[in-house]
Amino acid sequence: QSVLTQPPSVSGAPGQRVTISCTGSNSNIGAGYHVHWYQHLPGTAPKLLIYGNTNRPSGVPDRFSGSKSGTSASLAITGLQAEDEADYYCQSYDSSLSRSVVFGGGTKLTVL
Amino acid sequence: EVQLVESGGGLVKPGGSLRLSCAASGFTFSNAWMSWVRQAPGKGLEWVGRIKTKTDGGTTDYAAPVKGRFTISRDDSKNTLYLQMNSLKTEDTAVYYCTTVDSSGWYSFDYWGQGTLVTVSS
Repeated sequence: QSVLTQPPSVSGAPGQRVTISCTGSNSNIGAGYHVHWYQHLPGTAPKLLIYGNTNRPSGVPDRFSGSKSGTSASLAITGLQAEDEADYYCQSYDSSLSRSVVFGGGTKLTVL
Repeated sequence: EVQLVESGGGLVKPGGSLRLSCAASGFTFSNAWMSWVRQAPGKGLEWVGRIKTKTDGGTTDYAAPVKGRFTISRDDSKNTLYLQMNSLKTEDTAVYYCTTVDSSGWYSFDYWGQGTLVTVSS
């Protein structure tokens, strides 16, 4: 059971927009800790997609955007492409007893 | 170009030990906070631990499941990060990734290696 909750899967047709939610609590996202997003194709190195809630590293297309509100964050992907099919993870920090970096359980994006 | 290359994975019996290495290039290793993240088969990503730069004290932090059994260290002269794993359990079976950590305030995992597989089984 992950501290950050993501839907196990989402899907969309090419060209469509999809969003992936990441729900936390007042000891992590709600406490003001940054949320980061990663894209992971099995067998490859995970890739940083969004850092500090809304920022894109150089080279990441502006089709990817992040947002945060209260105890939740979201990743939006517009103009869906076949190459976007991957696993997506949110990540933050939790200040409860564990005081640890935490990941969401991951969301499998399928491009129909 | 930043490159992180993990090595040292393999098959080990429960209770055994293994040391992973991560060779870094393309950036000033001594100035970088580093971390290990793992992914068990069919599961999501899990943070293992982090080491700061010597300038920042060289301190380490670990996730609860590995605290007291795993040790992260670095050799800045060799641009290499290590993960010493002792008292291994079957639940430590995973692909282990070496990552850089942003230390400017975001604390994101900016660059990742391809990973090395550790299998703990009798």
